[in-house]
Amino acid sequence: GIQVEQSPPDLILQEGANSTLRCNFSDSVNNLQWFHQNPWGQLINLFYIPSGTKQNGRLSATTVATERYSLLYISSSQTTDSGVYFCAAAYSGAGSYQLTFGKGTKLSVIP
Amino acid sequence: NAGVTQTPKFRILKIGQSMTLQCAQDMNHNYMYWYRQDPGMGLKLIYYSVGAGITDKGEVPNGYNVSRSTTEDFPLRLELAAPSQTSVYFCASSRGHTNEQFFGPGTRLTVL
Repeated sequence: GIQVEQSPPDLILQEGANSTLRCNFSDSVNNLQWFHQNPWGQLINLFYIPSGTKQNGRLSATTVATERYSLLYISSSQTTDSGVYFCAAAYSGAGSYQLTFGKGTKLSVIP
Repeated sequence: NAGVTQTPKFRILKIGQSMTLQCAQDMNHNYMYWYRQDPGMGLKLIYYSVGAGITDKGEVPNGYNVSRSTTEDFPLRLELAAPSQTSVYFCASSRGHTNEQFFGPGTRLTVL
């Protein structure tokens, strides 16, 4: 099945700093998503990005499918950005469906 | 729209008991999913459904059963609960497999 690795596993930032989170996946995928799990456990979809670049406010994501990685950029971080960021890679086709989550990057933004 | 709703929020079971975790969505999504999240880990897919009457196994289906009689509802059944099923369970839905998934708030289950 698809293997997904995220780095770094933990990240501590001063408020206002920028960061890049990385997601590597082992096989061709046709679905790559980034999620944020807040400290209360709620999962929020950030980006659906099987390829290319998308931006939403201070967050942006880039997926290079041919090189099997995706990057999540957080600029001017705020304390509300704290939580765990997961990427999830999926392949669906010919009646099969595989979805694999990475173990996440735990981000702590301190004032 | 309420999105994806799950009940209950918390539950404690004794070993061997059974229960059903409820999940409903009001977005008319065909695809629905059940995941479990163990402490410090990402999510693992238990079962998924591509439409009413159609379900299939994910990565960790043992000890669980599902049904999908309507587009809106996708209950997860635990038979003979075991301590290894202590976890947080998330339900999600999407328009298709290659579309973004929307998650419910989760059910925290403890089996003692």
